[in-house]
Amino acid sequence: SQKIEQNSEALNIQEGKTATLTCNYTNYSPAYLQWYRQDPGRGPVFLLLIRENEKEKRKERLKVTFDTTLKQSLFHITASQPADSATYLCALDFSYGNNRLAFGKGNQVVVIP
Amino acid sequence: GAVVSQHPSWVICKSGTSVKIECRSLDFQATTMFWYRQFPKQSLMLMATSNEGSKATYEQGVEKDKFLINHASLTLSTLTVTSAHPEDSSFYICSAAPGHSYEQYFGPGTRLTVT
Repeated sequence: SQKIEQNSEALNIQEGKTATLTCNYTNYSPAYLQWYRQDPGRGPVFLLLIRENEKEKRKERLKVTFDTTLKQSLFHITASQPADSATYLCALDFSYGNNRLAFGKGNQVVVIP
Repeated sequence: GAVVSQHPSWVICKSGTSVKIECRSLDFQATTMFWYRQFPKQSLMLMATSNEGSKATYEQGVEKDKFLINHASLTLSTLTVTSAHPEDSSFYICSAAPGHSYEQYFGPGTRLTVT
């Protein structure tokens, strides 16, 4: 069956350190993978998109890698700040380019001042 | 830019009644919008793709006669939950992607509680 797995345990990290989150998937062949941020009771906010032919993407303090052989994406927040505390969702396109997204359950990050 | 709004933000209704949720793209046109549902501690689940001027496409297991979708203009899609039951209580979120972008911009969500 198709699965998108993110760590269910919250990641507690000291301010200034790098937070690294993992997204693993099985039985999908996505054209691209996206990361979103979701705060409690709110809709997700788009952060980064990485295509199947890209290895790495950066945006300010964020970095995403995508390994289609391992079926894994890593999401990094460098120099983390308390304002980065949120749940981060991995989403992948399951319809190869039609923008229908399947989401992981998300991984909560808590940045400790 | 790329702002999506939803209305209402929360609604309580009685079992058996219908509820309409609106999704608007405020600063861009969207030929396609998406409707998701999220139960507590669960992932967002895509319910349907709303297509302007044509019928919505529903995901497997989603009853199209229960969740009516209308995409009457390039900036508005509506989701009507018909004959709501307590198990329909959930967080409903819409999204849209500007132009040919794959980045989806989400509305703030609508919390539906059916009593």
